[in-house]
Amino acid sequence: NAGVTQTPKFRILKIGQSMTLQCTQDMNHNYMYWYRQDPGMGLKLIYYSVGAGITDKGEVPNGYNVSRSTTEDFPLRLELAAPSQTSVYFCASSWEAGGPYEQYFGPGTRLTVT
Amino acid sequence: GNSVTQMEGPVTLSEEAFLTINCTYTATGYPSLFWYVQYPGEGLQLLLKATKADDKGSNKGFEATYRKETTSFHLEKGSVQVSDSAVYFCALINLTGGGNKLTFGTGTQLKVEL
Repeated sequence: NAGVTQTPKFRILKIGQSMTLQCTQDMNHNYMYWYRQDPGMGLKLIYYSVGAGITDKGEVPNGYNVSRSTTEDFPLRLELAAPSQTSVYFCASSWEAGGPYEQYFGPGTRLTVT
Repeated sequence: GNSVTQMEGPVTLSEEAFLTINCTYTATGYPSLFWYVQYPGEGLQLLLKATKADDKGSNKGFEATYRKETTSFHLEKGSVQVSDSAVYFCALINLTGGGNKLTFGTGTQLKVEL
């Protein structure tokens, strides 16, 4: 049982490039989330999904896109990377709403845009 | 809206010292409260939680009590160890229109020295 896995661990992008951050969970969780963590700013929710085929915006969605074609996978797409997207990105998953269910986090992807 | 405020760090303590990290929140209704811990280079892990007023969450010697009258959820540990060095995040989930989305504080870095 691997939990939540993310790839890559590190990436450097040039301004204007695109990339996809991968996230997979093997716990059969319906809910999945993408956060970004900036120094001294805590975690901000980018997008979330309540099940395959259903996604919604979080607090800071601009510059990102997501898709959820399977229960297991929730990739995050960066189009036209900008320096402001330099951050650490965390994927998380949880059981359904209706209770204060724990969110399980992946190890993170450290992205630098130069 | 929902918000979480926690004390700024870093907090530097000697081993076996007493730890308090303050956390206060703003939310309508009855949120559930959490403490997450992030060890260096890793993702976040749930440390403890409390789902209603006067509940006490505890784990690994850490504890926090949900105080609705003061809207607080302070983290305490009687005797810290070097291995407790990490960043600690206070968070809430407000199921009143908030789904299962966590609202995080900015994090408090704890450094424990011998």
